[in-house]
Amino acid sequence: AQTVTQSQPEMSVQEAETVTLSCTYDTSESDYYLFWYKQPPSRQMILVIRQEAYKQQNATENRFSVNFQKAAKSFSLKISDSQLGDAAMYFCAYRSGSSGNTPLVFGKGTRLSVIA
Amino acid sequence: GAVVSQHPSWVICKSGTSVKIECRSLDFQATTMFWYRQFPKQSLMLMATSNEGSKATYEQGVEKDKFLINHASLTLSTLTVTSAHPEDSSFYICSARDVWVPNTEAFFGQGTRLTVV
Repeated sequence: AQTVTQSQPEMSVQEAETVTLSCTYDTSESDYYLFWYKQPPSRQMILVIRQEAYKQQNATENRFSVNFQKAAKSFSLKISDSQLGDAAMYFCAYRSGSSGNTPLVFGKGTRLSVIA
Repeated sequence: GAVVSQHPSWVICKSGTSVKIECRSLDFQATTMFWYRQFPKQSLMLMATSNEGSKATYEQGVEKDKFLINHASLTLSTLTVTSAHPEDSSFYICSARDVWVPNTEAFFGQGTRLTVV
């Protein structure tokens, strides 16, 4: 079974600074997808960024970028120019690409605080 | 973007009663729906996967007779917590996906906070 590990229960960053959230995963599959989701206090799950395993290029979405190291099974999220609205729980997630109806497997999450 | 509407957003019920939670896809066909449970300060744990018109597949440890899932149409799935007890109090989240549309992901509902008293 696939597992996702987030080793940082809590992180903090000064406003306008950069922070990196760590994620490692374990799988024997070659076809899969990786995600970072944000869960603010409202608890609505928001997709931050998505990475296809077959793509070598790291995904980016504005201030959010990932460092995808496939051999090391590492998928870290970098948030640049941190804003107060970035404060939330961040979940790393894995989805198998073997079929269309596979669910997401989530890590335990990292709570990010942004200090003004 | 695609929207998934989950209702109610919160509910309080008495122990022993049943509660139904609805999850609707508003602008796409939800061929597959996933139901998650989230305890305070914890991650999302998958409870079951349901495909439209088929019986749900439950994760190990989830009682299928207690958590009844119906996915009879392409836009609606329901989760019924039967004979609820205080230990069933939790945050329940659905997500829906159209598996026939390539390169798309599941969208999440807003979640339902269930409190059993």
